[in-house]
Amino acid sequence: DTEVTQTPKHLVMGMTNKKSLKCEQHMGHRAMYWYKQKAKKPPELMFVYSYEKLSINESVPSRFSPECPNSSLLNLHLHALQPEDSALYLCASSRERPANTEAFFGQGTRLTVV
Amino acid sequence: GENVEQHPSTLSVQEGDSAVIKCTYSDSASNYFPWYKQELGKGPQLIIDIRSNVGEKKDQRIAVTLNKTAKHFSLHITETQPEDSAVYFCAAWAFGNEKLTFGTGTRLTIIP
Repeated sequence: DTEVTQTPKHLVMGMTNKKSLKCEQHMGHRAMYWYKQKAKKPPELMFVYSYEKLSINESVPSRFSPECPNSSLLNLHLHALQPEDSALYLCASSRERPANTEAFFGQGTRLTVV
Repeated sequence: GENVEQHPSTLSVQEGDSAVIKCTYSDSASNYFPWYKQELGKGPQLIIDIRSNVGEKKDQRIAVTLNKTAKHFSLHITETQPEDSAVYFCAAWAFGNEKLTFGTGTRLTIIP
């Protein structure tokens, strides 16, 4: 099983809403990542978790709050987002960091902030 | 930090012909170079990768070459098919760095 599963696939939320994105992998990977991808651009790294601990925060605004409850799950909690936060949010995992190993991406959550 | 440049940004080839996408990187410590294919509405899918201790790697119709001296690497797709149409991203990973640095992407269109 080389799959990273993200839910939901699509999400529309208002600027005052609170929502969460979920990511799950069962490959035994100990590094998990959140990326943001705008149209026609490459993915941009937001957060890295290694062995369930946050190791990188790429200066992401506090309205994005990551959580890693266990080695298989990764959440991204969203609150008071802005329309410019609309994007494809991708979760990825790799065996461990520093990666130097294959990173597998999920299908993404298409987020629209209205 | 690492900087990865990718060319061309768009590429159209006739079905059956070959396609080549090129990337250059700046950090000589980079030692892992994956290529991702992203179809519309989907996440990036790893299609091939190469490490700095080899110069070429092939998987069926796909090959990647690496020139460490010149700091560039290329993706070669032979006998292209319509299902090869997608956006392709190269990336580089330097030992001790925590993240992949992506190129800007190439939109490949296969013309039937």
